[in-house]
Amino acid sequence: DTEVTQTPKHLVMGMTNKKSLKCEQHMGHRAMYWYKQKAKKPPELMFVYSYEKLSINESVPSRFSPECPNSSLLNLHLHALQPEDSALYLCASSHPGLAAGPDRNEQFFGPGTRLTVL
Amino acid sequence: GNSVTQMEGPVTLSEEAFLTINCTYTATGYPSLFWYVQYPGEGLQLLLKATKADDKGSNKGFEATYRKETTSFHLEKGSVQVSDSAVYFCALSTGTYKYIFGTGTRLKVLA
Repeated sequence: DTEVTQTPKHLVMGMTNKKSLKCEQHMGHRAMYWYKQKAKKPPELMFVYSYEKLSINESVPSRFSPECPNSSLLNLHLHALQPEDSALYLCASSHPGLAAGPDRNEQFFGPGTRLTVL
Repeated sequence: GNSVTQMEGPVTLSEEAFLTINCTYTATGYPSLFWYVQYPGEGLQLLLKATKADDKGSNKGFEATYRKETTSFHLEKGSVQVSDSAVYFCALSTGTYKYIFGTGTRLKVLA
């Protein structure tokens, strides 16, 4: 299984709502990532989990709260978002940083969740 | 610091034309280099990769060679199809968790 799955595919929420995005992989990867991608831009890294511990937070506002319940799952909890947070949210996974071998650093991306904040 | 420079798009080609999308990089050490493709409404898919100098990555008719002397990783395809219309991202990794992405190049192939 070389797939990263994300649910839901689309999400529309109001600024007072609380929602969660879910990501799952079964490739045995121990690093998982959240990216935000605006239209016509490259993905921007938000968070990295390594061995289920938060390793990188790219100064993301606290209205985004990541969670890694186990090595296969990654969640992104959303609360009190703003319309400018509307974007495609991508999850990715990889072997941990500095891993050796031909798959070094290769990240596998999910299809994304298209989020619209009204 | 590390950076990736990609040619500006959009690139518009006729079907069966030759494609080149330029990518140059600046990095310390020995980065791995990647090309990802993003079709409309989808996530990123790895197209090809190279992990050391002179490696050639290839997939689905696309090729790119890791040129350390020119710090380049240009993407080429001999004959594009309408189905190749997408956004192409060049990226590098130096062994940490962070990818450095280029700005992306939109390719439009006309029948």
